[in-house]
Amino acid sequence: IAGITQAPTSQILAAGRRMTLRCTQDMRHNAMYWYRQDLGLGLRLIHYSNTAGTTGKGEVPDGYSVSRANTDDFPLTLASAVPSQTSVYFCASREGGDTGELFFGEGSRLTVL
Amino acid sequence: GQNIDQPTEMTATEGAIVQINCTYQTSGFNGLFWYQQHAGEAPTFLSYNVLDGLEEKGRFSSFLSRSKGYSYLLLKELQMKDSASYLCALMDSNYQLIWGAGTKLIIKP
Repeated sequence: IAGITQAPTSQILAAGRRMTLRCTQDMRHNAMYWYRQDLGLGLRLIHYSNTAGTTGKGEVPDGYSVSRANTDDFPLTLASAVPSQTSVYFCASREGGDTGELFFGEGSRLTVL
Repeated sequence: GQNIDQPTEMTATEGAIVQINCTYQTSGFNGLFWYQQHAGEAPTFLSYNVLDGLEEKGRFSSFLSRSKGYSYLLLKELQMKDSASYLCALMDSNYQLIWGAGTKLIIKP
């Protein structure tokens, strides 16, 4: 089934640990995004990539890094997790950087203690 | 700057009609999206408006007025499964989506 797969779906992590959230899509979309969603706030963009080999910073990039080595994969890394990074993380993709609807993964719920 | 406002929560009755409003301020505009998000799930696409007017898609319609910075989502013949959060998002001049906080819609029998 075509779509976006995120892993893990849920994780509890000790503060200071390194964590990578994985995201893979099989729709051959050029643009991919990482958002965090917190209660009472809208989805906030962390990092994005308009095409393989390029990345950009979103609204809340501090403490996060991404890479886009190929079209399908867009991992998000927390180098040293802090409790304020407790959130639900959504990976999304769309056909182009300026066109089309966003397709979302099922989300990764991360708790940092 | 950019800003999007939508009501935090609304309640409606099964079988009725509800209108969820979204107002925005932005210096650049490339369209407005509505997404539906059930609790614990990912957002799913409902509609996209870039020109003024009403777009109808089954029980759901979306309206846009660019001059007023205003959109609404109209849901007809409400069903219990329509209980969800509805997210308004505008596409800015850089083609990035700016999201509202979402409106939680509660449907009562």
